Amino acid sequence: AQSVTQPDIHITVSEGASLELRCNYSYGATPYLFWYVQSPGQGLQLLLKYFSGDTLVQGIKGFEAEFKRSQSSFNLRKPSVHWSDAAEYFCAVGPKTGAGSYQLTFGKGTKLSVIP
Amino acid sequence: GAGVSQSPRYKVAKRGQDVALRCDPISGHVSLFWYQQALGQGPEFLTYFQNEAQLDKSGLPSDRFFAERPEGSVSTLKIQRTQQEDSAVYLCASKRTGRETQYFGPGTRLLVL
Repeated sequence: AQSVTQPDIHITVSEGASLELRCNYSYGATPYLFWYVQSPGQGLQLLLKYFSGDTLVQGIKGFEAEFKRSQSSFNLRKPSVHWSDAAEYFCAVGPKTGAGSYQLTFGKGTKLSVIP
Repeated sequence: GAGVSQSPRYKVAKRGQDVALRCDPISGHVSLFWYQQALGQGPEFLTYFQNEAQLDKSGLPSDRFFAERPEGSVSTLKIQRTQQEDSAVYLCASKRTGRETQYFGPGTRLLVL
């Protein structure tokens, strides 16, 4: 069965510092990969996604992520964090083939706090 | 509409009460999903519709949970005889056929006392 591991439950960074949030997945083949952000009381907003091609993908709000097949990882990065980035971040995988319901499997999330 | 909408945003229920949660997907989105997000956890899949057909309900935790989408647009998730363990945020998402990205609503936060 597919699974997603986000090893860091909570990360605190200073404003302006760089950020990397880790995500490892377990899947029978290369899945579709997503990063979503959730602010308090809000739904999930898509930051970026990887389907195929270039393994470095750019997203909104200055985020990027790199797919590394050999490590089964899809880490999220941002070179300079802003206070407004404080939120919870979820990595998710979805099936690539047409079988099944395209349901997403999420990690447990990483809460990001930003120190002014 | 511009995005997925859900109502109510908050619901407090007494244990044993029935509740109904509504989801309005993005217009034209054929696929609709329900997820349950417990406190401090990631969302977990409950059920999936393609148009009015419920094609996957493998994530529904018990027979107290029932979902429908009778006209292939609005969907309702119903929970009968609510229990405290049903307290969670219920998220709805929709997507277009042939596209992989799911768009999420703001969720309904259910608290069962």
